[in-house]
Amino acid sequence: DAGVIQSPRHEVTEMGQEVTLRCKPISGHDYLFWYRQTMMRGLELLIYFNNNVPIDDSGMPEDRFSAKMPNASFSTLKIQPSEPRDSAVYFCASSPFGYNEQFFGPGTRLTVL
Amino acid sequence: AQSVTQLDSQVPVFEEAPVELRCNYSSSVSVYLFWYVQYPNQGLQLLLKYLSGSTLVKGINGFEAEFNKSQTSFHLRKPSVHISDTAEYFCAVASGAQKLVFGQGTRLTINP
Repeated sequence: DAGVIQSPRHEVTEMGQEVTLRCKPISGHDYLFWYRQTMMRGLELLIYFNNNVPIDDSGMPEDRFSAKMPNASFSTLKIQPSEPRDSAVYFCASSPFGYNEQFFGPGTRLTVL
Repeated sequence: AQSVTQLDSQVPVFEEAPVELRCNYSSSVSVYLFWYVQYPNQGLQLLLKYLSGSTLVKGINGFEAEFNKSQTSFHLRKPSVHISDTAEYFCAVASGAQKLVFGQGTRLTINP
């Protein structure tokens, strides 16, 4: 298996623009997680899905952030409009079931100017 | 709510020396504990986990951790480190809901 795939790996955009991050989880994994990593706040869980259904989005910082999982093999995290404080590395992870190992993607480094 | 405290933000050690990375957690219910490693410019990968059973858990790359319920700790150890162990290490706790709460991370630097 190719592991969790994220695209793009790097994204540089200007404040106010829409940003869409993409994730393909490992086939057969029922859980998908979106995390944000910054120096100041560490690794934060934004939202997670079980069988394509959002279960907990309490970590989503603002209404500017939204996430979808239209099918078992694809998820998006969208920021609209983006702000400089959204600059971070965003990770997607998947898991066969919740308490077991989470497999992380390589991350998307987002820079908002 | 569950929380994790990693007591050291940075740990420098010499190659072939032993190392211990400290982790304390708070939880009012049964816990599941994890250590993940993050190499530069990569995602996290699992080192080891404690779900139940023996309190001494062995993981990959020669690492091990001991679950101590009375001290609410889950310290990570390796008897002899290598340059390739240079990375950031994260302790995490899962309890109740199907998600992990991560500590702030400990940056392990190995000096030759």
